[in-house]
This record gives sequence, C-alpha cells and structure tokens, in this order.
Amino acid sequence: NAGVTQTPKFQVLKTGQSMTLQCAQDMNHNSMYWYRQDPGMGLRLIYYSASEGTTDKGEVPNGYNVSRLNKREFSLRLESAAPSQTSVYFCASSSKTDTGELFFGEGSRLTVL
Amino acid sequence: QKEVEQNSGPLSVPEGAIASLNCTYSDRGSQSFFWYRQYSGKSPELIMFIYSNGDKEDGRFTAQLNKASQYVSLLIRDSQPSDSATYLCAVNMFSGGYNKLIFGAGTRLAVHP
Repeated sequence: NAGVTQTPKFQVLKTGQSMTLQCAQDMNHNSMYWYRQDPGMGLRLIYYSASEGTTDKGEVPNGYNVSRLNKREFSLRLESAAPSQTSVYFCASSSKTDTGELFFGEGSRLTVL
Repeated sequence: QKEVEQNSGPLSVPEGAIASLNCTYSDRGSQSFFWYRQYSGKSPELIMFIYSNGDKEDGRFTAQLNKASQYVSLLIRDSQPSDSATYLCAVNMFSGGYNKLIFGAGTRLAVHP
C-alpha cells in the first residue's frame, strides 16, 4: 500500500546544478501538489496540478518547474539550484470529490551548497 | 498579511490539561478547514476537518469554526506526551473545482509529564 512515493529522499547539490524530484501516487487521485517546508514557515505551495494535463503556480513558484507526466506522476525540477532552495519538499495528492484531505509523501530533504 | 496565521509557539501544557490551538485566515470565501499534525521529521497527517460554523468533536479533539470572525481552533483534551508535535492549520482555497490547501506556519505543542 504505497500511497505517495517521492524520490530521492536526500540530495545534496552545488549551486547552479539541476535536479528533478519525482513523485508518484497509486490512489487514482486527480490532484497533485508540491510543497516546501522551511523552519518556522510551515508548508508553502510551490505548484499544483488540479488534473492530468494542467499545472498552476502556488505561493512560491520562482525557480521551479513542474511536469504532470500522467495521472500518477508529478515531477518538480530545479533548473539552477540556489542555497535558498535548501528545504524539505513534500509531494501530496488528493481526490477532487473528497473532503480535501491531502495525502503526503515522506518528503525529500534537499541541501544546496 | 499571510493567508493563514498561527502562533508558532511553543505551547507548553501539562499532561492531562486542555491544549488550545488557534488559527485565523484572510479569505472570507473559504469553505473548508483542516488540522494536520506533524511529528518531527515526518510528513503531516490529517487530524480533523470542519466545514460548518460551530464545534466538531472526534475523540479527544474538538475543532471550532467561526466564519464571521475568520477563526478556527483545535482543542485537545486530556493532553498526552504523545500529542507533542507541530499542528498545522490549513484552509482550502477551492479553485476551479479542485482542492488547493494553504497552510499556516504551524504551532509547536509540548506536553510535559
């Protein structure tokens, strides 16, 4: 019963390097989300995909791109990593018709040196 | 002004006491509200959601909503050390028929024996 799976769980990058965080869900959910969490800041929405084929900016989209590859997968790309992007990244999914509950992955801890 | 505001704490209560966590939000059109619990190093998990003004009880937890005052609270009765965690308030900025949850910064609760 996997739920939401994120990879990698840990990553260290140098400034200017690029990388992609992968997320997959097996709950047949329509909507998927990427959040970042920094100390004292709570969860901030980076991008979301309401349904397959659509993506929208959240609160803090600058420096990121996303791809909704299919209904299961939603990736987050850092084209040129900056130290300000050091954070814990959470992927989440939800159904359109339920309470609005989000199901979260375990998180990906990214450090940019 | 942030869309969802919480006192960051820490809120320290003795075991067996009532812990009261508060949250205010800015969007008067918001219809659904959520409380998530997050243990250190883990992903958030849903405790309760509430849609209607008034109280909603689930075991030791009671969520309270006052839409006129744009205020949501969570009461934890008979607090236990295992309740020590960060509690995140989230508001659904329902957009185009899809869920879009915006989180507060979280309140850290410490329950001491």
